[in-house]
Amino acid sequence: EAQVTQNPRYLITVTGKKLTVTCSQNMNHEYMSWYRQDPGLGLRQIYYSMNVEVTDKGDVPEGYKVSRKEKRNFPLILESPSPNQTSLYFCASSKDRWTSGSNEQFFGPGTRLTVL
Amino acid sequence: AQSVTQLGSHVSVSEGALVLLRCNYSSSVPPYLFWYVQYPNQGLQLLLKYTSAATLVKGINGFEAEFKKSETSFHLTKPSAHMSDAAEYFCAVSLLPAGGTSYGKLTFGQGTILTVHP
Repeated sequence: EAQVTQNPRYLITVTGKKLTVTCSQNMNHEYMSWYRQDPGLGLRQIYYSMNVEVTDKGDVPEGYKVSRKEKRNFPLILESPSPNQTSLYFCASSKDRWTSGSNEQFFGPGTRLTVL
Repeated sequence: AQSVTQLGSHVSVSEGALVLLRCNYSSSVPPYLFWYVQYPNQGLQLLLKYTSAATLVKGINGFEAEFKKSETSFHLTKPSAHMSDAAEYFCAVSLLPAGGTSYGKLTFGQGTILTVHP
C-alpha cells in the first residue's frame, strides 16, 4: 500500500530534550515536506526537500532541523524542544520536484507533540 | 507571495443541504489550487485540484469547485451534505513552475470546520 508513515504518533517530552520524528514514504517520491498544524493557522511548512541531500527552509524553520540521506526518509529533528513547538506535525511527499507544484501531496497520519 | 483566505472558520449545515466553503487566493502568477479534507485524527486527503485545465473541477465524494480568476476564488461546493462530510477542510495554493522548476510549496488557508446536523 502506497503510504507515508510517521513515528511516533504521539509524544510528550520536556523542554530541551532532543527528539526525532521519523517520516518514510514508499512511493519513490522525490519531494518531501514537513508541516505543523496549529488551530486557526492552518498548516505551515517547516522544511522541504526536493531530492536526496537537497533541503531548504519553509515558512517556520526556527528550532527544527531535517536531513535527507535516503530518498524514502525525511526525519524532523528538534535539538532543544520548547513549549511553543507543541503542535501537530505532518510529513508529506509528492512525485517529483519538477511538477511538484501541481502534484498531489500525500500526507502522513500526523504526530502530536507536547513539550512541557 | 501567495496566500489563501478561507471565509468562515466554522460552517454548519443540515443533512441534505448545500455545502459552500469559501476560499480566496492571492497570487502574482496563475496558481494551482487544492482542497484537502481532514477527518478527525487523520492526515489530509486530496479532494480536488485545479491545474489550469477546466475551471470547474470535480473531486471525490461529490464535491466540486470552480476557479474564478476575476474573483480570485476557488469555492468548494456539494449539492447535498451527508453526515460523513463532517470534517475540517483546507484550501491551498501552489505556484506554477518558474523556469522549469517548482518548489511544490503549499500555502494553506486557516481551515473551515464543517458540521452536518441530522
